[in-house]
Amino acid sequence: GDSVTQMEGPVTLSEEAFLTINCTYTATGYPSLFWYVQYPGEGLQLLLKATKADDKGSNKGFEATYRKETTSFHLEKGSVQVSDSAVYFCALDGSSNTGKLIFGQGTTLQVKP
Amino acid sequence: GAVVSQHPSWVICKSGTSVKIECRSLDFQATTMFWYRQFPKQSLMLMATSNEGSKATYEQGVEKDKFLINHASLTLSTLTVTSAHPEDSSFYICSAWPTTSGISYEQYFGPGTRLTVT
Repeated sequence: GDSVTQMEGPVTLSEEAFLTINCTYTATGYPSLFWYVQYPGEGLQLLLKATKADDKGSNKGFEATYRKETTSFHLEKGSVQVSDSAVYFCALDGSSNTGKLIFGQGTTLQVKP
Repeated sequence: GAVVSQHPSWVICKSGTSVKIECRSLDFQATTMFWYRQFPKQSLMLMATSNEGSKATYEQGVEKDKFLINHASLTLSTLTVTSAHPEDSSFYICSAWPTTSGISYEQYFGPGTRLTVT
């Protein structure tokens, strides 16, 4: 079945450091890919998405490119801020776009001033 | 932005009792809502898809008689954990998919409900 694998956390960075959170997936067909962010005490929020190969999703300085050849969707940000501290989830929706999301295990990011 | 609420946010119940969790879309209508379960330091696992006016569809391995889902209106879905046992203790999260989302693919998530069964 479909699955998503994220790098283990927690990730601790200093402010203004470069961030990469790795995400790889296994899926039949052509899934849509997502990054969600969960701030403490809040629900998951969609950070960015990509629906086909080579698409780049971007939002709030975060970017991720849908790489079908490497089945990856790595999250990057050039300069993190303390306010980016949160849990980040990579997810996919299978090729039938049912809305049923399969999540990675989540990566906790802590940014220190 | 679109807001989804869950009630209660935290509930403790005794083994053998039932507990109901509500998921409400506050400022939009949602034909479809999803229920997820999250264990500590683990991923969210889809339990079931709730469709307004029809029976929920459950993922493989999820006991439909234990986790009763009712989607009685376009803004409310409920999850009832029946005859709860300690192994049902978990964090339950719902999401709502706006009826008018078209191909936006954006679901909105509730903040979750922590269930502890003693």
